[in-house]
Amino acid sequence: QVQLQESGPGLVKPSGTLSLTCVVSGDSISSSYWWNWVRQPPGKGLEWIGEIYHRGDTNYNASLKSRVTISVDKSKNQFSLRLSSVTAADTAVYYCARILTGTTGFDNWGQGTLVTVSS
Amino acid sequence: QSALTQPRSVSGSPGQSVTISCTGTSRDVGGYNYVSWYRQYPGKAPKLMIYDVTKRPSGVPDRFSGSKSGNTATLTISGLQAEDEADYYCNSYEGSNAYVFGTGTMVTVL
Repeated sequence: QVQLQESGPGLVKPSGTLSLTCVVSGDSISSSYWWNWVRQPPGKGLEWIGEIYHRGDTNYNASLKSRVTISVDKSKNQFSLRLSSVTAADTAVYYCARILTGTTGFDNWGQGTLVTVSS
Repeated sequence: QSALTQPRSVSGSPGQSVTISCTGTSRDVGGYNYVSWYRQYPGKAPKLMIYDVTKRPSGVPDRFSGSKSGNTATLTISGLQAEDEADYYCNSYEGSNAYVFGTGTMVTVL
């Protein structure tokens, strides 16, 4: 059974860079899935951030594209998120999730990790 | 990229049916059969309930069904149960290799 687990600092200073990693267990990150990041500000709705395929192909939310980088490390079976120039508006629970190629539907999610942007 | 529009809340008594609408445009909901629905309990990760408009993942009760007409997708929960009380979000592919979520709907079981 596949499991996704997010990790990273829970507190980031304004103007800094948010960095998170999602470790995939129970499945190879080189399988036929796109690996995604989704966030949810406290008390608000879900926002898609972007995705990566194991070959390195990426797609990003246009509203975040200038600040987002998603990368993959096949040797560690994990993928990562970097979000630069953060502000308080980037405070959210960040989830990693996967989508099977050729379909849609985020079928497996991590438990989420809260990142707070504050000085 | 604007969020898809969902009603803020819907409610029903146990055993009744409720429907949740998800309205977008021809560039997202209306343009592709790529709508999915998620249930989210407080403090928990979302769970996939419907994908590709009408398909149910293994393990999801057949009380949950999805449909689409034009630019509006609908999730129907039949035989409402106490455990169905949660937030529900729709999601659609919107072309250009991007996705957009709905605003979310709180389902209350009376």
